[in-house]
Amino acid sequence: EAGVTQFPSHSVIEKGQTVTLRCDPISGHDNLYWYRRVMGKEIKFLLHFVKESKQDESGMPNNRFLAERTGGTYSTLKVQPAELEDSGVYFCASSQRTANTGNTIYFGEGSWLTVV
Amino acid sequence: KQEVTQIPAALSVPEGENLVLNCSFTDSAIYNLQWFRQDPGKGLTSLLLIQSSQREQTSGRLNASLDKSSGRSTLYIAASQPGDSATYLCAGVDSNYQLIWGAGTKLIIKP
Repeated sequence: EAGVTQFPSHSVIEKGQTVTLRCDPISGHDNLYWYRRVMGKEIKFLLHFVKESKQDESGMPNNRFLAERTGGTYSTLKVQPAELEDSGVYFCASSQRTANTGNTIYFGEGSWLTVV
Repeated sequence: KQEVTQIPAALSVPEGENLVLNCSFTDSAIYNLQWFRQDPGKGLTSLLLIQSSQREQTSGRLNASLDKSSGRSTLYIAASQPGDSATYLCAGVDSNYQLIWGAGTKLIIKP
């Protein structure tokens, strides 16, 4: 069974450009999460999808970030326009049930974003 | 607001030693706690998940405990090996169903 896959694995873009990160969760997992870790900081929650609906987007830093999950399958996270402080690792994760039920959450390898 | 702290930030021990990594959290209203491993430049691998009703979980040489009343979790690694070298992170699921993360402990096992 394929795990959580993320694309691209690494991306270097200039300030002001747009980047779109993609996440394919484990098949059958309704719950999809985005987290990120910026340099020197803890991993922080961004948002949570249940199927195609945004369950919680309280962690999204500002309106330059847009996440979608059309059809409840893969998800995209777009940063437009990118700023220097957006550099970091963006992790996607999925689980069969919500995190509070004791379901293991499976993480992808991360998308490493560098804004120069 | 839930906060998670991991001590120490870094640890270097000789191969073969048993060791303990610590994780503390401020809010005992935690649904479960997970320990993850991250190798350099790699993603996060779930090691152990302890539900709030449990006190410990074991997998091979790893044993994780959870004490909600004291706000602590420990990850015990027995007979450490160089391949155990990685960053270990703990994360608790809070009342908003979000994972709240510690900063991690960077572990180096010297051959």
